[in-house]
Amino acid sequence: GAGVSQSPSNKVTEKGKDVELRCDPISGHTALYWYRQSLGQGLEFLIYFQGNSAPDKSGLPSDRFSAERTGGSVSTLTIQRTQQEDSAVYLCASSFRDFNEKLFFGSGTQLSVL
Amino acid sequence: AQRVTQPEKLLSVFKGAPVELKCNYSYSGSPELFWYVQYSRQRLQLLLRHISRESIKGFTADLNKGETSFHLKKPFAQEEDSAMYYCALKPGTSYGKLTFGQGTILTVHP
Repeated sequence: GAGVSQSPSNKVTEKGKDVELRCDPISGHTALYWYRQSLGQGLEFLIYFQGNSAPDKSGLPSDRFSAERTGGSVSTLTIQRTQQEDSAVYLCASSFRDFNEKLFFGSGTQLSVL
Repeated sequence: AQRVTQPEKLLSVFKGAPVELKCNYSYSGSPELFWYVQYSRQRLQLLLRHISRESIKGFTADLNKGETSFHLKKPFAQEEDSAMYYCALKPGTSYGKLTFGQGTILTVHP
């Protein structure tokens, strides 16, 4: 494919609503990562997938955040009961393997919680 | 836990001038260090990594373990170098879980 694809590119939601963000990694990439880019916080790691399993979820900020990956490909990041502090750019990245491999980033989803 | 510090949020230079973007880190083991760049309306992309010891677009960075630094340098800045630059650290034998600095916005004036 052309690269890591994320949708939607922009999402505006009301406080308290649930949102789903989608990531379609480069074909054949087994490792997938979610990061969050927010003003004043820089880039923060959220979760790492190897295949369909998530051996590292340590960056998820609260239990309102969850993610899954199916078929070793597409991943969905779900935020329940959104809060204003969830507003950020959510970036997905993938790599061919997990060790010592270059990360390829998507263009991100800009989430705005009103 | 590891930490990456980029002390300058904004850096402005004129075209043709040397530029240095500072990065300091704290980590008890042997890290792998990276510079990522995000040009306007483009995706975040890898610029260079210390293990490759390469020069990309005229930029170089040397890992100084004594000073725990990985500063990015270019002797003659170009307008197209204007971008957001992130320094990032990965534990040496880990998967791609990166710890990023806060980023430095570089502006190169004509």
